[in-house]
Amino acid sequence: GDSVTQKQGQVTLSEDDFLFINCTYSTTTYPTLLWYVQYLGQGPQLLLKVTTANNKGISRGFEATYDKGTTSFHLQKASVQESDSAVYFCALVASGSWQLIFGSGTQLTVMP
Amino acid sequence: AQTIHQWPVAEIKAVGSPLSLGCTIKGKSSPNLYWYWQATGGTLQQLFYSITVGQVESVVQLNLSASRPKDDQFILSTEKLLLSHSGFYLCAWGTGDYAEQFFGPGTRLTVL
Repeated sequence: GDSVTQKQGQVTLSEDDFLFINCTYSTTTYPTLLWYVQYLGQGPQLLLKVTTANNKGISRGFEATYDKGTTSFHLQKASVQESDSAVYFCALVASGSWQLIFGSGTQLTVMP
Repeated sequence: AQTIHQWPVAEIKAVGSPLSLGCTIKGKSSPNLYWYWQATGGTLQQLFYSITVGQVESVVQLNLSASRPKDDQFILSTEKLLLSHSGFYLCAWGTGDYAEQFFGPGTRLTVL
């Protein structure tokens, strides 16, 4: 079946550091790849969407790209701020599917 | 703009007691609706989805049930709570298959 692997459980950075989070996926279809951010006590918010058509998404200073060859997709930000501290989830929607499959999440802590 | 409301915000219930959680979406006609469960510090697990009024599909079996009595309303319930039902319950809406989903603020459930 379809799956997503997110190995970085915790990332601690200082303000203005570069952020890079990686996920790998497995599917037999053409997926839509998503990044969600969840602040403490809140529901997840959609941050970025990447499809096989557009390869890249940009929002709020974050950039998402995917690599079909290595079946991986990445979230990056050039300069993180303390307010970016949250849990970041990658997710996959397989073509023709109603199901959103989430990675295990990356807790980002940004120190002032 | 679409808004999604969940009630209650939080619940503390005894093992063996019944439960009913609700979700309402405004500003979107005939949305796909979804229920998710999230353990503390964990990832999101899809529980149910509904494409139309009166029709609900189960994704995982957790001794829970769901119903969609109106186009804009989704209910999650059980007659007998277990300790393992504790967690964060999230309602989400989407526009179709192969598409992103948008989450509500969630309901925190503690079963004692």
